[in-house]
Amino acid sequence: GDSVTQMEGPVTLSEEAFLTINCTYTATGYPSLFWYVQYPGEGLQLLLKATKADDKGSNKGFEATYRKETTSFHLEKGSVQVSDSAVYFCALRKANAGKSTFGDGTTLTVKP
Amino acid sequence: SAVISQKPSRDICQRGTSLTIQCQVDSQVTMMFWYRQQPGQSLTLIATANQGSEATYESGFVIDKFPISRPNLTFSTLTVSNMSPEDSSIYLCSVITASNEKLFFGSGTQLSVL
Repeated sequence: GDSVTQMEGPVTLSEEAFLTINCTYTATGYPSLFWYVQYPGEGLQLLLKATKADDKGSNKGFEATYRKETTSFHLEKGSVQVSDSAVYFCALRKANAGKSTFGDGTTLTVKP
Repeated sequence: SAVISQKPSRDICQRGTSLTIQCQVDSQVTMMFWYRQQPGQSLTLIATANQGSEATYESGFVIDKFPISRPNLTFSTLTVSNMSPEDSSIYLCSVITASNEKLFFGSGTQLSVL
């Protein structure tokens, strides 16, 4: 079945450091790929998405590129802030299926 | 976008009792889902709530334990029945709207079973 594998955490960075959270997937067909973020005490919200190979999703300084050849969708940000501290989930969804498959989540803590 | 109201936001329950969680959306949606997020773990899909018919359950989840209703396009309930401490988790309602393919989440119900 479909699966999503995320870089294990937790990840601790200093403010303004470069962030990479790795995500790889296994799926048949051509899924859409997503990153969700869960801030402390809040629900999940969509951060960015990409629907086909070589698409780049971006939002709030975060970027991820849909790499079909490596089945990856790594999340990056050039300069993190304390306010980016949260749990990040990588997910996929097939075009004709409503349900999503989530990775285990990566906890990011950014220190001043 | 979709605004999802989920309640209760948290509850502490006794073993053997049941709790019903409500999910109300401010617009008609094509699909509604119920997820469980256990402490420190990822989201696991419990079931897809189908309007006017029985929910579609994922492997490991059964209707007797997690009965679901969806009487219309904007409302659904999930009941956690005959609770045990292993049911302590965050339960999340999520929807896909008709206008786009984004998945929106409610703020969750944090359930603790003593």
